[in-house]
Amino acid sequence: GQQVMQIPQYQHVQEGEDFTTYCNSSTTLSNIQWYKQRPGGHPVFLIQLVKSGEVKKQKRLTFQFGEAKKNSSLHITATQTTDVGTYFCAGPSGTYKYIFGTGTRLKVLA
Amino acid sequence: DTEVTQTPKHLVMGMTNKKSLKCEQHMGHRAMYWYKQKAKKPPELMFVYSYEKLSINESVPSRFSPECPNSSLLNLHLHALQPEDSALYLCASSLSQGSSYNSPLHFGNGTRLTVT
Repeated sequence: GQQVMQIPQYQHVQEGEDFTTYCNSSTTLSNIQWYKQRPGGHPVFLIQLVKSGEVKKQKRLTFQFGEAKKNSSLHITATQTTDVGTYFCAGPSGTYKYIFGTGTRLKVLA
Repeated sequence: DTEVTQTPKHLVMGMTNKKSLKCEQHMGHRAMYWYKQKAKKPPELMFVYSYEKLSINESVPSRFSPECPNSSLLNLHLHALQPEDSALYLCASSLSQGSSYNSPLHFGNGTRLTVT
């Protein structure tokens, strides 16, 4: 079946350093979504990418969808302690069905 | 804060108990979901209701029984659970889906379930 893997599994960074998580799907995706889950919280939608090669920015966050629409990345510039959490990508697998990636847990050291 | 409300926040139940998880949204979303999340794992889809009809059941054991009384409410009835069913149960909602666009999921805060 369809699999969505993320690397790295964990990342510890010093505050102010950059961070990148990569998402790879075993199948071509019509779109990809990114979610953030704070410790003890619930996933919160960040963004959706639809077009091949699409790049979107949200302040310090940059999201990219690969040309083949099988991979995606999230880059955070100059991390802050508020960026702590687990970042999930999610791809559709039929109507209403989302496959969540394995997640990358980010810790930011002050 | 989230616009999807789940109750209770925490639940401890024995293996012979019957309990229900409740979820409510008033965003006019016509798709509602139950996800299960174990610690340090991604959410796993359990059920999807679309326009109050069950659209997806991901081969979930019958000890979990979903119910969608109306377009704003979603319940998950629990009976004879096992300790390995302990997890965070997340409700989510979304707009109805188009052919090539999947609208974002809006999650509730979840119910942290412990089965003893």
